[in-house]
Formats: sequence, structure tokens, C-alpha cells
Amino acid sequence: RKEVEQDPGPFNVPEGATVAFNCTYSNSASQSFFWYRQDCRKEPKLLMSVYSSGNEDGRFTAQLNRASQYISLLIRDSKLSDSATYLCVVNMSPGDNDMRFGAGTRLTV
Amino acid sequence: DAGVIQSPRHEVTEMGQEVTLRCKPISGHNSLFWYRQTMMRGLELLIYFNNNVPIDDSGMPEDRFSAKMPNASFSTLKIQPSEPRDSAVYFCASSYQGTGGTMNTEAFFGQGTRLTVV
Repeated sequence: RKEVEQDPGPFNVPEGATVAFNCTYSNSASQSFFWYRQDCRKEPKLLMSVYSSGNEDGRFTAQLNRASQYISLLIRDSKLSDSATYLCVVNMSPGDNDMRFGAGTRLTV
Repeated sequence: DAGVIQSPRHEVTEMGQEVTLRCKPISGHNSLFWYRQTMMRGLELLIYFNNNVPIDDSGMPEDRFSAKMPNASFSTLKIQPSEPRDSAVYFCASSYQGTGGTMNTEAFFGQGTRLTVV
């Protein structure tokens, strides 16, 4: 089983749509979780951290489900500028800062 | 802050040649990561350092790959000899890990080195 797994997509949605991505992780001891965004031919950049209680930033909502070992990202009212690849990141060993990325989910709006 | 600085931005080399990629992390960060990205395999962690010490190099594909971090402000990733299948974008990232280590800050990425081995 891969350490961090994502559906690669692609997801093609119209403007204004709501879209959700899921990501599963293998290490139940993982403590830190993030969503990154990567534009074509650019470096990944932090979109948002994922907190245990869930968190929201404008049109973006991140959730963590420790029991099922997955995190999710919900994008509401999709805009053309949301088109990118979204990468799930899990710190597999917090004591050592072992940051593992999922393969990414490609979104086209 | 200038962010994570990688050089060169692009490298084209012939099979068998030695390639050295360089990275300057953000000042004050104590964790440094080397990743490789390809269409087929996505973003793979090759090796990471904490406080200049290599912690996990299990992602380094072969003995042809080596990485060093002689001080807190510089790291290199070397491929010798290079092969066409090493062609990829290589990213360096850095972050700050606080004491206790249970929560970690985000990783900031450099712009990457696009390596082509012909």
C-alpha cells in the first residue's frame, strides 16, 4: 500500500461547481496534514493545513478523519483559476519531519 | 526572504556525465528535503535532512545518487553517472521543525531543476 494515495483524476468541472478530493494515508501515527497546490511547470505551494477539527478558508474546506485515515478537500463555487493539481501531504513521522506527497489530483475548471 | 534557491534551473547533460544540483534553504529552517517529480511517478521523496543530518535516504533510487548537507545553508544532490531515466524535475524544499516534533510547519519549495539526460 502506498504511504499516501490520491485519485489522480482528472476532474473536469464547470465554473461554479463543487468538487471534493480525498486522500488516504497508511501511517496511523501521522500528526500533520496539508493540501498543496501545484500549477503547471511550477513548484508546489501550500494551500492549507488540515486540522483535527476541520478548517475552512473561503471557498476551501479541509477535513481530517483519523479513524478512516483520510483527509479531504472541498472546493465550492469553482473558478477558472482553481485549475491546478492538488497534492495531499502527510507527515509520516512527526519526530523526524518525514513529509510524503500523494501523486496529486488534477482539476480543470 | 528570497525563499528556497535552487540551481541550475535547467540542466541538459549526456548520459554518463556527473550532475550536481544545488539548494540553499530558507534561513532558519532546519529540515531540508529533496524530491523528484515525473509524470509517471509523481512527487517522490528522495532524502531529507534534519539539522544537516540525513534522516531517511530510502527514497534514493540507486547508489548513483548521493546527497550532502555540509552546513545549514547548503545542500547538493549528485548523480554519477547520469542516465536518461533520471530525467525529471528535482525539487528542494525546506521547513522548520520545532522542538518536540509533534507539529511541523509547511515545506517551502524551490523552483526546481529540470534535468534532461540525453
